[in-house]
Amino acid sequence: SYELTQPPSVSVSPGQTAIITCSGDKLGDKYVWWYQQKPGQSPVRVNYQNSKRPSGIPGRFSGSNSGNTATLTISGTQAVDEADYYCQAWDSSTTVFGTGTKVIVL
Amino acid sequence: QVQLVQSGAEMKKPGSSVKVSCKDSGGTFSGYTFYWVRQAPGQGLEWMGGIIPILGSANYAQNFQGRVTITADKSTTTVHMDLTSLRFEDTATYFCARGMGWNHPFEPWGQGTLVTVSS
Repeated sequence: SYELTQPPSVSVSPGQTAIITCSGDKLGDKYVWWYQQKPGQSPVRVNYQNSKRPSGIPGRFSGSNSGNTATLTISGTQAVDEADYYCQAWDSSTTVFGTGTKVIVL
Repeated sequence: QVQLVQSGAEMKKPGSSVKVSCKDSGGTFSGYTFYWVRQAPGQGLEWMGGIIPILGSANYAQNFQGRVTITADKSTTTVHMDLTSLRFEDTATYFCARGMGWNHPFEPWGQGTLVTVSS
């Protein structure tokens, strides 16, 4: 079965850039979605696939995907961005989530 | 505003079954795909399966084949998830989510339903 691997945690200082990776075989050939989940809450999508950023997604979140690695970048990280982040990709008619990364804002 | 409202927390014994419901209050049931995702305490997200209500067809993750059944009631715009032969390790929060199908994100998500399996 298809697997997506993320680092367990990423630490970042306020105002700096956080980079979260998601690795999977030929992941660059797939659409990758990213979700933010805060404690006790449901996941919320934080990236988009074209230039049309949906309302509700702050401009500091951006994504890229190439080769075997997708990346979620949080520019100018704020304290409110401290959360767990999960990548998601589709493989045939099924979907899989990454292992999750905890972003710690120091 | 689209909202998915799930049924309340459940306490079940090993070997029993649980049914969790998810009502699409937005009234735009048709044309979407609905999914179930679970999250064990302190763990990550695990996709269980999905259903296209207008077709009535469901597909399931291999890990849950034979134990999970996802159904949809168009008259009440509600999706149900039945999980049988419950084990202690099925203790988790179960989320429903809506999407546009293959390659599209899950959005929105329900509030989650905690299912506890305990003797």
